Amino acid sequence: DAMVIQNPRYQVTQFGKPVTLSCSQTLNHNVMYWYQQKSSQAPKLLFHYYDKDFNNEADTPDNFQSRRPNTSFCFLDIRSPGLGDAAMYLCATSKGTGGQPQHFGDGTRLSIL
Amino acid sequence: GESVGLHLPTLSVQEGDNSIINCAYSNSASDYFIWYKQESGKGPQFIIDIRSNMDKRQGQRVTVLLNKTVKHLSLQIAATQPGDSAVYFCAVASGSARQLTFGSGTQLTVLP
Repeated sequence: DAMVIQNPRYQVTQFGKPVTLSCSQTLNHNVMYWYQQKSSQAPKLLFHYYDKDFNNEADTPDNFQSRRPNTSFCFLDIRSPGLGDAAMYLCATSKGTGGQPQHFGDGTRLSIL
Repeated sequence: GESVGLHLPTLSVQEGDNSIINCAYSNSASDYFIWYKQESGKGPQFIIDIRSNMDKRQGQRVTVLLNKTVKHLSLQIAATQPGDSAVYFCAVASGSARQLTFGSGTQLTVLP
C-alpha cells in the first residue's frame, strides 16, 4: 500500500507556465519534504514543513514555493519553470523528531518544453 | 556543514556474491545514519538505519557497519540478487535535525 503518493507521475509543462505538483501521505507524519533530483545525482532538499512551520533551504530559488493545507497534503508550486527545472521531484515524510527515517514517494518527473 | 561521499560511484558483482558499499562522512556530531535503495523511475526506498550508539545492525540479507572513529559507514548485502541492482545512497543526520545529508550514490549492477 502506497503511503506517500505523488501525482502526477509525469508532468509536462511549457517554459514559464506555472505548474503544481502534489503529494499526499497516509502516515500522519508531522514533517513533509520536497526534494529535487537530477539524473545520476543525490536528492537535493528544497524545503520542508514541520506541521505548518515552513523551512526553506538557503539555496532554494524563489521560483519554488510550497503549500501545506493540512497534515496529509503538500504541494510544490513552480511559478515560472525554466529548462533547468526539468528533474524528478520527490516528496518525503518523517515523524518529525531527529533521527527518523524519511519515507519517499515515487516522484513526479517534470519535463519542460 | 556535513559532507557525505561514497567511495565508488559504480560497483559490479556476480549474482550470489556479497556486496559492500562504503560511505564516508565528515561531521563527528552525526548520530543517525541511513541507507536507501533507489530503482530506476522510483523514489528512494528505506533499507536500514543505525544510530551512533551502535556499530552494527542487521536486517534481512543486509548489514550496516558504523565506524565512528574514522567516520565510515558500510552496507553489506549478502547473496546479491538481480533485484538488488539499483543506486544506493547513504544519508546522515545530526541531533534533532530533521534534514538528511545524502551521499552521491553508488550504482550496483548484479551480473548473471
